[in-house]
Amino acid sequence: KAGVTQTPRYLIKTRGQQVTLSCSPISGHRSVSWYQQTPGQGLQFLFEYFSETQRNKGNFPGRFSGRQFSNSRSEMNVSTLELGDSALYLCASSTRDRGFRSGTQYFGPGTRLTVL
Amino acid sequence: ELKVEQNPLFLSMQEGKNYTIYCNYSTTSDRLYWYRQDPGKSLESLFVLLSNGAVKQEGRLMASLDTKARLSTLHITAAVHDLSATYFCAVDKHGGSQGNLIFGKGTKLSVKP
Repeated sequence: KAGVTQTPRYLIKTRGQQVTLSCSPISGHRSVSWYQQTPGQGLQFLFEYFSETQRNKGNFPGRFSGRQFSNSRSEMNVSTLELGDSALYLCASSTRDRGFRSGTQYFGPGTRLTVL
Repeated sequence: ELKVEQNPLFLSMQEGKNYTIYCNYSTTSDRLYWYRQDPGKSLESLFVLLSNGAVKQEGRLMASLDTKARLSTLHITAAVHDLSATYFCAVDKHGGSQGNLIFGKGTKLSVKP
């Protein structure tokens, strides 16, 4: 079974620009979560999508947004980039059981975003 | 607010030695995960612990969970260089209903010959 894939793997942008990152989950996984990883703040939850609906959102400004498509693929968008947005962005996919509880999250390789 | 604390944050070990990484969390949870991250790589799932007293073992790594003490441990037996990586524990906020993992800061393990 193919793992979680993310594109692009590396991005360099300048302040004020916007960026869109893509994530394809493991086949059969309908839940996609996004995380930001930085040396200072560690791994922080951005948001989670299930069945094309945002189910939960972390403590990030509105410049960070996302969506999920009917095939469970997800995108996240960051508008008006700031230097502090430089990070590794990871997406993770999982299943949900009958009680709607999330299973183990499997992570993609990440997108390394550098903002100059 | 759910907090997850790992210690130590840095660990330098000699090959062949044993050591334990500790993960404390601040509120009730019955789902705890351990992940491994190699430099420049993504997170690899190691263990999921779902109930009090759960113990999982894979090779030289063994993880356990004590939900009453809100403590998980990752024990390394007879360390080898290939185990050098950063290890994260993560707790499933909301009991898994919202796909929101809270991570510890990670333990950077370096195993030296």
